[in-house]
Amino acid sequence: AQSVTQLDSQVPVFEEAPVELRCNYSSSVSVYLFWYVQYPNQGLQLLLKYLSGSTLVKGINGFEAEFNKSQTSFHLRKPSVHISDTAEYFCAVGLYNFNKFYFGSGTKLNVKP
Amino acid sequence: EPEVTQTPSHQVTQMGQEVILRCVPISNHLYFYWYRQILGQKVEFLVSFYNNEISEKSEIFDDQFSVERPDGSNFTLKIRSTKLEDSAMYFCASSEQEIGYGYTFGSGTRLTVV
Repeated sequence: AQSVTQLDSQVPVFEEAPVELRCNYSSSVSVYLFWYVQYPNQGLQLLLKYLSGSTLVKGINGFEAEFNKSQTSFHLRKPSVHISDTAEYFCAVGLYNFNKFYFGSGTKLNVKP
Repeated sequence: EPEVTQTPSHQVTQMGQEVILRCVPISNHLYFYWYRQILGQKVEFLVSFYNNEISEKSEIFDDQFSVERPDGSNFTLKIRSTKLEDSAMYFCASSEQEIGYGYTFGSGTRLTVV
């Protein structure tokens, strides 16, 4: 069975500080990995994805994530956050040959001035 | 940037009533999906649709649910007889190709069953 765990339900951080949002997954098959962001009253926007190749993936808005196969993790990072990064962030796993996602429970990032 | 459009943004219905949630996927996309998120819970897969038929569905997607692409542009989710536990945010998504390319999600329809 597949599962996605986002260990932190809420992460408060001050503006211009670095942030890491954690994501771990379990799967018996190879996976694709994604991070989505949801701003208030909006849909889910793709931040970045890992399909294959380099384990460090860069996305929009200065975010990046690193795939660690041995630790089955795909943590999201940003070196300096802005107020506008306040949103909920979802990690998602897609399975090879299965056209659907398994989502984590989300992490609410609250950037304070 | 192309968007997936969902209407209405919020729908309130009485238990036992039928509801239809509407979605307009991105025009050149071929794969269509519905997900839902019950308040405080994870986003869950409901169904995927390709080539005018369901390609996969979850255990949640029972006989009360159906999907349709009636006119080549809209993609609808129908719940025949709503229950209180159907209250959730329903997200439509579409993709040009299969999962590796990521989906584009709509902004969701919040369904409240009273």
